[in-house]
Parts: sequence; structure tokens; C-alpha cells
Amino acid sequence: AQSVTQLDSHVSVSEGTPVLLRCNYSSSYSPSLFWYVQHPNKGLQLLLKYTSAATLVKGINGFEAEFKKSETSFHLTKPSAHMSDAAEYFCVVRRNTGTASKLTFGTGTRLQVTL
Amino acid sequence: SAVISQKPSRDICQRGTSLTIQCQVDSQVTMMFWYRQQPGQSLTLIATANQGSEATYESGFVIDKFPISRPNLTFSTLTVSNMSPEDSSIYLCSAGRWGNTGELFFGEGSRLTVL
Repeated sequence: AQSVTQLDSHVSVSEGTPVLLRCNYSSSYSPSLFWYVQHPNKGLQLLLKYTSAATLVKGINGFEAEFKKSETSFHLTKPSAHMSDAAEYFCVVRRNTGTASKLTFGTGTRLQVTL
Repeated sequence: SAVISQKPSRDICQRGTSLTIQCQVDSQVTMMFWYRQQPGQSLTLIATANQGSEATYESGFVIDKFPISRPNLTFSTLTVSNMSPEDSSIYLCSAGRWGNTGELFFGEGSRLTVL
């Protein structure tokens, strides 16, 4: 079965410093992995996705993630945090069941950005 | 991409009543799903909404409590029946197309508070 583990429930960084949100996955085969962001009282927005192409994936708003099979990790990074990055971030794995494609969400990491 | 509209966006309900949430997608999609996000928690898949047939429920969710309809490719409803305070959550509709990378789009959710 596919699953993801987000290692930090809460991360706090200063504006302008790097962001690292950690995610490990478990999958019996090459997974499809995603990062979604949820701003307060907003819907979920896709940040980026990995689907067995390039291992370094670039997303929106300057975020990127690297798929490391040897470490079963898919950590999300950004070189310089902005106040608008404060939100909840979810690491997600896709699992295929017949004709359906279901997503399993991690528990989420709340990113706080301070001045 | 797909734009997903949900209504109501929020509601306050009395114990024992039922509420139906509507989800409209602006383009034809293959897959539609309903998720629940309890306060401070991640997203949990309730069911897959199947066009013209009974929904497929995940473990822990049953049709009597969460009846779902999907009369066409772009519209679905979720009813939360006989509500109790434990049903207070955000309910999210999501949709995507089979054959792509498994990316799902999400509505902004319906925030239900049960008194």
C-alpha cells in the first residue's frame, strides 16, 4: 500500500530564509507524488508533482522537490521564504485502484513565516 | 485545469438534520471524489462518486450516512445524514481526469458546524 509520512507537523522560518518540509513515502512501486498547499479558508492548490520523469521537480511560487528513491523521500524546498507562503502543506501519494486514481494525504505541515 | 464550485461554502446545522452539498465542475472530468477534513486534521477520502451508479465508499464510511449522487460528468452531491457534532468538518469535492498524471483539483470546501 502507498503512504506518506510528513516528519514535521509545524515548521517556522524567518522571511528570506530557506524552507524545508520533509516527506517520506512508502510504495511497492514507483509512486506518483504531489505537494498541495492550503491557505487559510481556501481550497487546495497543487504546488508540484512527480510522475517518474525528472527527479527534481519545479513547481509554482519558487518551490521545488527532489525525488530520492534511495531515501524514499520527496522533500519540499524553497530558497527564500515569503510571508505569503504561510499555509498548510500536504505531501500526497497517488494510488491506482482499477480505473480510479486515489490520493492519500499526509498529515500536513503548517509553515509559519516570521519577520 | 478544472474549476470546482461547492455550495454551501459553510453552514451551521442542528443535530439530527441532514445537509446536501453540491459540487459543480466547469469541464468534463473522469473522476470525482469527496473528502473530509476534520478540524486540524488532514484529508480523508470518503468515497468515489461514480457517474450513474452507486458511489464506492472507503472503509469507515457508509452510504446511509453519506449518500452520494453523480448524475452526470460534471455534477455531484454529498449528503451528510442525521448529523451529530462529530460531523463538524470541512467537506471537499475533488475532480480529475483518468489518463493524466493523477492530478486532482479541489473545491474550496464546505465548512459544516453541527450544534
